[in-house]
Amino acid sequence: RKEVEQDPGPFNVPEGATVAFNCTYSNSASQSFFWYRQDCRKEPKLLMSVYSSGNEDGRFTAQLNRASQYISLLIRDSKLSDSATYLCGNLGNFNKFYFGSGTKLNVKP
Amino acid sequence: DTGVSQNPRHKITKRGQNVTFRCDPISEHNRLYWYRQTLGQGPEFLTYFQNEAQLEKSRLLSDRFSAERPKGSFSTLEIQRTEQGDSAMYLCASSSRDSPGYNEQFFGPGTRLTVL
Repeated sequence: RKEVEQDPGPFNVPEGATVAFNCTYSNSASQSFFWYRQDCRKEPKLLMSVYSSGNEDGRFTAQLNRASQYISLLIRDSKLSDSATYLCGNLGNFNKFYFGSGTKLNVKP
Repeated sequence: DTGVSQNPRHKITKRGQNVTFRCDPISEHNRLYWYRQTLGQGPEFLTYFQNEAQLEKSRLLSDRFSAERPKGSFSTLEIQRTEQGDSAMYLCASSSRDSPGYNEQFFGPGTRLTVL
């Protein structure tokens, strides 16, 4: 079983829609959690850290559910510029960092 | 530019040749990670340094791969006797143990390797 799993999508949504992604992780001892955005043929860019209490930054909200071992990302009022692949990652044992395969989002006019 | 930098950005080589990539992390970051990413996949952990010490290495990493961070600043990743399966984007990331932004990783632009 992979350390981190994501639905690859694509999620095709109209501008202005709200969309949510989940990401499950297998190691209950995982510590820090993150969401990254990756544009085609570019490096991942940190979108936000995910705290136990949740985290909100503008239109983006991240949540952590330790009991069910998943993190989520909610994007409100989607923009065309939100089209990208969203990677979740976590810091596991021995400071190894694990990423999911990414969820592709297409926001259409 | 105070971000993570990587050189070269692209490398094309023939099977069997050795290649070396360089990563310069954000200056105050004491942790440095190497990843490999292929199309449709997320970055795959290769190895990690804290200062100059290589603390973890993926079990998936063959002995043809070696990494160094001699003075705790820049790092190099060498692949010996390259194979076509080594073709991928090689990403470097750095982070700090200290707050704020504890453990947040920042990536360089990557080195795209093509093995012919």
